[in-house]
Amino acid sequence: NAGVTQTPKFQVLKTGQSMTLQCAQDMNHNSMYWYRQDPGMGLRLIYYSASEGTTDKGEVPNGYNVSRLNKREFSLRLESAAPSQTSVYFCASSATGPNEKLFFGSGTQLSVL
Amino acid sequence: DAKTTQPPSMDCAEGRAANLPCNHSTISGNEYVYWYRQIHSQGPQYIIHGLKNNETNEMASLIITEDRKSSTLILPHATLRDTAVYYCIVSSDYKLSFGAGTTVTVRA
Repeated sequence: NAGVTQTPKFQVLKTGQSMTLQCAQDMNHNSMYWYRQDPGMGLRLIYYSASEGTTDKGEVPNGYNVSRLNKREFSLRLESAAPSQTSVYFCASSATGPNEKLFFGSGTQLSVL
Repeated sequence: DAKTTQPPSMDCAEGRAANLPCNHSTISGNEYVYWYRQIHSQGPQYIIHGLKNNETNEMASLIITEDRKSSTLILPHATLRDTAVYYCIVSSDYKLSFGAGTTVTVRA
């Protein structure tokens, strides 16, 4: 039982490049989330998916798109990366949504030069 | 969501109880209090949550005041592995917002 798996673990991009961060969970959870964490700060919610087929904006959605591919997978895409998107990105999942505990992946460290 | 206020840092002696305070004076009736922690640069780990009543699990205890305006997370016997950033979050929906948290250092 791997829990929440994120790929890649590290990535370096040049400004303007695009990439997709992948996230998969094997706990049959309904809800999935993408957060970013800047140095010395807490986590901020980018997008979330309450259930398969739905996605909604979080606190800081600008510059990102998401796809809930199926119940297991939730991807985050940067269409044109900017240095301000240098951060650590965490994916999380929960069983039914609010008031359920979140399980986090180990993170993707992204640098945009 | 209601905002929370936590001390930026605190030290604790190994083997002693660690009491982590959190103020949430603007909490509304349907908002839960959650505690998570983050060790080094790992993904946050759920600790405990509650609405009104005090809660206890294998990791910690959560004490919520009667007016719900503040709470305390208690780690009963702190170990070196409990050194982490602890986040107190108040929310009623999907949007859990993690602030700066409290950096807890457990010393031998």
